[in-house]
Formats: sequence, structure tokens, C-alpha cells
Amino acid sequence: SAVISQKPSRDICQRGTSLTIQCQVDSQVTMMFWYRQQPGQSLTLIATANQGSEATYESGFVIDKFPISRPNLTFSTLTVSNMSPEDSSIYLCSADRPGTDTQYFGPGTRLTVL
Amino acid sequence: GIQVEQSPPDLILQEGANSTLRCNFSDSVNNLQWFHQNPWGQLINLFYIPSGTKQNGRLSATTVATERYSLLYISSSQTTDSGVYFCAVDTNAGGTSYGKLTFGQGTILTVHP
Repeated sequence: SAVISQKPSRDICQRGTSLTIQCQVDSQVTMMFWYRQQPGQSLTLIATANQGSEATYESGFVIDKFPISRPNLTFSTLTVSNMSPEDSSIYLCSADRPGTDTQYFGPGTRLTVL
Repeated sequence: GIQVEQSPPDLILQEGANSTLRCNFSDSVNNLQWFHQNPWGQLINLFYIPSGTKQNGRLSATTVATERYSLLYISSSQTTDSGVYFCAVDTNAGGTSYGKLTFGQGTILTVHP
């Protein structure tokens, strides 16, 4: 079955620094998605990443804070910039499962900002 | 945007019991999925069910699109069913992707042995 991996799995960062999260899919996909899950909360879509074009951000999320790269059909990165404790969350990437009408998710990156 | 409400927010069961989780949504959808998030945080897709009924082992789901709700049934629950169950929807008619989802707040299920 299709697999998504993320790096790092977790990190503890200092306020004001940036962290880049990597997402690798084991098959080519057109769209990849980045979600945030704040502690005890549901998932919120940050942006949609298409290969070869700018990411599309949801209301409340901006490129300066969450720059995204999508260099090819199997890989994407999300950077959390100038972090504050409010950015402490689980960040998940997802993609369409090839040949199906469902989504599959990476295991998430658990970020703590001190 | 679309509102997604799940009930109950919390559910505690003894192993072997049955349960029904509900998802109400405020607008027509072309994509509705149920997910299980296990205690380690991994999200697993259970069903893609914008309408109709599907079954997979002890789990089944029904969506009544005209009345804007979906139900997830868990029969003969096991401790491994514990976790958070999310309903997620997309209203993007004509879209070619299934990933631009609005999630409900989830139902936290705890199954005791």
C-alpha cells in the first residue's frame, strides 16, 4: 500500500527559529496537502501544493510564515518560520491515494516551540 | 465555509459493545471521509462515503446526503478501536482531488477491556 514519510518525526525548537519539515510520497501524486493539528484539536488545512506552481494557502495562513516547496511529484517541504509557542502542533502532509478516492496521511511531525 | 459537527465528543465503551458516531454538515458535499487517528497520531482512512452505505469488517458507514449527515457504526468494539474518529468533507464540486478537507472536531473513543 502507498506510504508517506515525514522528517523529522518530532522536534523541540527555540522561539524565533525556523524548521523545515519534509514529506516524501512513495508514488507520484499531483497534489499534496499540509495540515496543522494544534494540541487537542482537529486538523486544519494550511495549503495545497502542486508541483511546478505556487502553493495555495487557506484563510489565516500566509506564505511568509509557512513557505512550501514542491520540487517534484513525490516530495514537498513545509517551513514554519519565526516560530512562537503558538506554533506548537502536529504538522501532517497528505496526498490522494493513487487509484482511489481517498486520502492518506503521513505520520506527522510533532513540533514543540519553547 | 462549511460547518462539520460530530457527536458525541467523547464515548467510553466496554469491549464488545456497539456504537454509532454522527457527523452533521451544513452544505452539500461531494466528498466525505471518515478517519481514525490512533493514540500515536497516525490518521487512517476508513471510508470515502459521500452518499450511500459501505461496510468493512466491523465498521460500516452511511451517508444521507439529502439530510446532510453521516453515521459511522462500530460493532463488537475492541481496545484497538480507541482513538479519535474524524469526519471530513469537501464541497469542491468538479474537483479532481480528495484532499482539500474540512474536518469535524472528532469523537474521542475509549474502549476498555
